[in-house]
Amino acid sequence: AAGVIQSPRHLIKEKRETATLKCYPIPRHDTVYWYQQGPGQDPQFLISFYEKMQSDKGSIPDRFSAQQFSDYHSELNMSSLELGDSALYFCASSPRGWGRRAENTGELFFGEGSRLTVL
Amino acid sequence: SQQGEEDPQALSIQEGENATMNCSYKTSINNLQWYRQNSGRGLVHLILIRSNEREKHSGRLRVTLDTSKKSSSLLITASRAADTASYFCATGNRDDKIIFGKGTRLHILP
Repeated sequence: AAGVIQSPRHLIKEKRETATLKCYPIPRHDTVYWYQQGPGQDPQFLISFYEKMQSDKGSIPDRFSAQQFSDYHSELNMSSLELGDSALYFCASSPRGWGRRAENTGELFFGEGSRLTVL
Repeated sequence: SQQGEEDPQALSIQEGENATMNCSYKTSINNLQWYRQNSGRGLVHLILIRSNEREKHSGRLRVTLDTSKKSSSLLITASRAADTASYFCATGNRDDKIIFGKGTRLHILP
């Protein structure tokens, strides 16, 4: 079965550089979530998209932006990278708009993550 | 601040024993979910319990939810070495913000 695909799996950047992470959700999943997980930390919710529009926002820095495209894939753009941005970035998708339809599963399907290292 | 707080933070038990992890949360929820994460890997959904449910089973997993105490527990029975992982609870509401707690690192000893 198709899973959530994230690319690249590993990325090394210098401080003040920019990085773009990509996420391809499971086919027919219309909601995408981005999470950041530092070493030994819990996943921190960054942002979510439903039907190509931002649906909710968490602790995403102003230096970061994201969007969901017409084919439902999503990209997380990170600029002016800082050492503290080094983390695993996870994308997750879910099969229907959370809370917006009568019957949603609420289950998130995660990709394997993109490990960003900022030097 | 995070919604869910796991307890204990780390747990080591012998293979075959039962493992119990607890989660507390602060605000009202629509449902609560448990996920497993092997080191450096993506999170895997284990089980979801809705706010109007009190207990749910799935294989060797049993989840309880007490909305009056804003807490949940995950019980893994007859633990196996492959159960070694971090376990997170996550709370969902009617928005698209699913918040994870700090996780319990479970280590199954052979």
